[in-house]
Amino acid sequence: EVQLVESGGGLVKPGGSLRLSCAASGFTFSSHSMNWVRQAPGKGLEWVSSISSSSTYIYYAHSVKGRFTISRDNAKNSLYLQMNSPRAEDTAVYYCARDQNWNDAFDYWGQGTLVTVSS
Amino acid sequence: QLVLTQSPSASASLGASVKLTCTLSRGHSSYAIAWHQQQPEKGPRYLMKVNSDGSHSKGDGIPDRFSGSSSGAERYLTISSLQSEDEADYYCQTWGTGIQVFGGGTKLTVL
Repeated sequence: EVQLVESGGGLVKPGGSLRLSCAASGFTFSSHSMNWVRQAPGKGLEWVSSISSSSTYIYYAHSVKGRFTISRDNAKNSLYLQMNSPRAEDTAVYYCARDQNWNDAFDYWGQGTLVTVSS
Repeated sequence: QLVLTQSPSASASLGASVKLTCTLSRGHSSYAIAWHQQQPEKGPRYLMKVNSDGSHSKGDGIPDRFSGSSSGAERYLTISSLQSEDEADYYCQTWGTGIQVFGGGTKLTVL
């Protein structure tokens, strides 16, 4: 069974930093590209970042480029999102999601981790 | 610019059918999309991928009541024999080089 479990969310001050993790199991992690998607309270889904299976290709939404960094450790079956200089508008539930194939539909999602940016 | 447009809300009666629409922006009518369901207080769940020719491939465990189709720049999700647990938000997703896009979502109410 494919499982994606996010962790690392919490309260962070504007300008601080936070690292989210996503632990993957039930599939060959190193064969799939992965993604972060967020959802602000009461709002829709917003794509944040994507990383290819071997980290060769990395893309970011304009709203987080230069502040957030996506990475992965295939030996640990884990995906990460380093959030630097977060802003109040980054407050959201953050989901990790698996790509069926590179640049394709997201076919599995985690349950999310809540990040609140507030002083 | 790659954009997906969805109606904010839809409603249908228990046991009836409903067809949700996702419209691709001009110049992108050949793109495939994916449908995702998000029940209250839960993470999204992948339903299916719908191609421009109307063919679709469903995710694991998705009931036959859910089907997809296509016409021009529109992609559809049809849910038949509506059940109370189908009350949820439905999002469409598409992708291009270096970008992923979500529609604004449709909130489905089962009456």
